[in-house]
Order: sequence, then structure tokens, then C-alpha cells
Amino acid sequence: DGGITQSPKYLFRKEGQNVTLSCEQNLNHDAMYWYRQDPGQGLRLIYYSQIVNDFQKGDIAEGYSVSREKKESFPLTVTSAQKNPTAFYLCATGLQGATEAFFGQGTRLTVV
Amino acid sequence: QKEVEQNSGPLSVPEGAIASLNCTYSDRGSQSFFWYRQYSGKSPELIMSIYSNGDKEDGRFTAQLNKASQYVSLLIRDSQPSDSATYLCAALQMDSSYKLIFGSGTRLLVRP
Repeated sequence: DGGITQSPKYLFRKEGQNVTLSCEQNLNHDAMYWYRQDPGQGLRLIYYSQIVNDFQKGDIAEGYSVSREKKESFPLTVTSAQKNPTAFYLCATGLQGATEAFFGQGTRLTVV
Repeated sequence: QKEVEQNSGPLSVPEGAIASLNCTYSDRGSQSFFWYRQYSGKSPELIMSIYSNGDKEDGRFTAQLNKASQYVSLLIRDSQPSDSATYLCAALQMDSSYKLIFGSGTRLLVRP
């Protein structure tokens, strides 16, 4: 079954804990992105990667970390340094270059 | 900060009417533009991409691009209640980064 898989769909964590969100794809896409969406807001770019073992900060990278050890995987860690982590997190992938991106189903993180 | 701007709406149209959604972008270097539809609580779904000036039609959807005015629009003909959603405009920054930047979205309501 092809596509982009984000897991889990819902995640609850206590304040001060690090948490890792998974994003896996079998589309053979080079580019992968992480976005954050708050209620009633647009998408803000956290991190992106165009190639394995390389990634760049987006507009709101503080308090987050990523790795890109495999083409298929781009996990996002939300650290305790992120002041307001409760949000809807979206992973997207695309071919390298000026092409469209496709989204996974998202992970809704709630920190209590 | 390079931006993509959209009117948040809601834009309310009667069933069967044409819905017109607009977007402006600040980065003159952007060459690729996309429209995504997002239903409440779901992830964005790509509905149109446009790369050159003019119109691009796909079924009931027409995307329009005017690079001189830095303006992108989406027309939805014969609007249906099922078209009620938030529509996100995105531009691909074509500097060294290839970042996909989103507007905050326009909420469309189609009244039966």
C-alpha cells in the first residue's frame, strides 16, 4: 500500500517530556517536510529535507529536532524546549525540485 | 520573510455559483504554485498545481496565475456543499532551499 504514514494519529504527553512523531513514505520521494498547524491557522514549516543526511530549519524550528538517516523516514522530535507543543503536525513529501508535495494524515499532539 | 497571503473568509456562496479564491505572494522568484483543500480535522489534499502564467483547468476547478502581479487564484464552478472546506495556497521558494510556503487559508462555505 503506497503512501505517507504518520503515526500515531493521536498522542498525549505530559509537559516536559520529549516525544517523537513518525513519518514514513514508500513513494521514493526525495523531499520531506514537517509542518505545524494550530487551530484556525495555516501551516508553518518546522524542518525540511531534500536529501538523505541533510535537512534545514524552517520558520519555527526552535524546540524541535529531526533526522534523515533513510530516504523513507523523517522523524520529528518535539523537545521539552518547545514552549507550546500542542498542535496538529503534518508530514509532507515530494519529488526533488519544483513539484507538488503530498501530505500524510497528520498527528494530533496534546501536551498536558 | 517571504509570505503567501490569503483572505481568511469565510467566503459564502450559494450552491451552483462560482467561488473565487485569491492569493498573493511576495517572493518574485517563486515559479510553482499549488492549491490544497483541507476539510476540518483532516490533512490538506492537493487539488491544483500551476507553473506558468494563464489559466489551468481541471474539471470544475480553474487555477489562474499572474506572475507580474504576484497573484494566484482558484475558481470553483458549480460549487457544491461538499466543496465547503479551507483552501490553502502554497508557493515554492526557488532559492537554494526549495521551501514550500503556505498561506493561512480561506474558508469556503457553500450554502445548499
